[in-house]
Amino acid sequence: NAGVTQTPKFQVLKTGQSMTLQCAQDMNHNSMYWYRQDPGMGLRLIYYSASEGTTDKGEVPNGYNVSRLNKREFSLRLESAAPSQTSVYFCASSLSQGSSGNTIYFGEGSWLTVV
Amino acid sequence: RKEVEQDPGPFNVPEGATVAFNCTYSNSASQSFFWYRQDCRKEPKLLMSVYSSGNEDGRFTAQLNRASQYISLLIRDSKLSDSATYLCVVNFGYSGNTPLVFGKGTRLSVIA
Repeated sequence: NAGVTQTPKFQVLKTGQSMTLQCAQDMNHNSMYWYRQDPGMGLRLIYYSASEGTTDKGEVPNGYNVSRLNKREFSLRLESAAPSQTSVYFCASSLSQGSSGNTIYFGEGSWLTVV
Repeated sequence: RKEVEQDPGPFNVPEGATVAFNCTYSNSASQSFFWYRQDCRKEPKLLMSVYSSGNEDGRFTAQLNRASQYISLLIRDSKLSDSATYLCVVNFGYSGNTPLVFGKGTRLSVIA
């Protein structure tokens, strides 16, 4: 069972470079999310997409853009990477955002280092 | 502000011990609650949902206290494999239609 698949798993970028993190889920989920996790900060929501065709800012959206390409795919783009964006990025999905569908399933994470 | 607070630990306990974690949340209207487990360098995974009446799954018991705005997780007969970070998760939405908010986690180390 693939679940949530995100790529790449590891990436080193130079300051100012751009890149896109890809995410796909095969569970027919409506809602998708991008989180970053830093030591001592826990998981922080960057952007989310409640359903296909919609995206909303989370707690820490600055420096990022997202695209909900279709129901399966939700990408995260760093237009001009900064060292402060060094982090572990998790893509996630859930059936819906309603309380009964709130179980979130995570991808394995993408380790990004900006030098 | 939507906040979920946890004691970061670490909790270092011997095998077989009983350990309990508490988590407080900032909004009394919060609708749903969960505990997730995260192993080192891995993604978080759902451990259990927390229901108003409390619920048990094997050695794990979760309880909700709405009046005091906290949830708890009790682990009995700790195993080495229970070593992980436990994340308290809350849905602050009135209708449930908002993203979940994660606490920073409590680290547990079970020692042989």
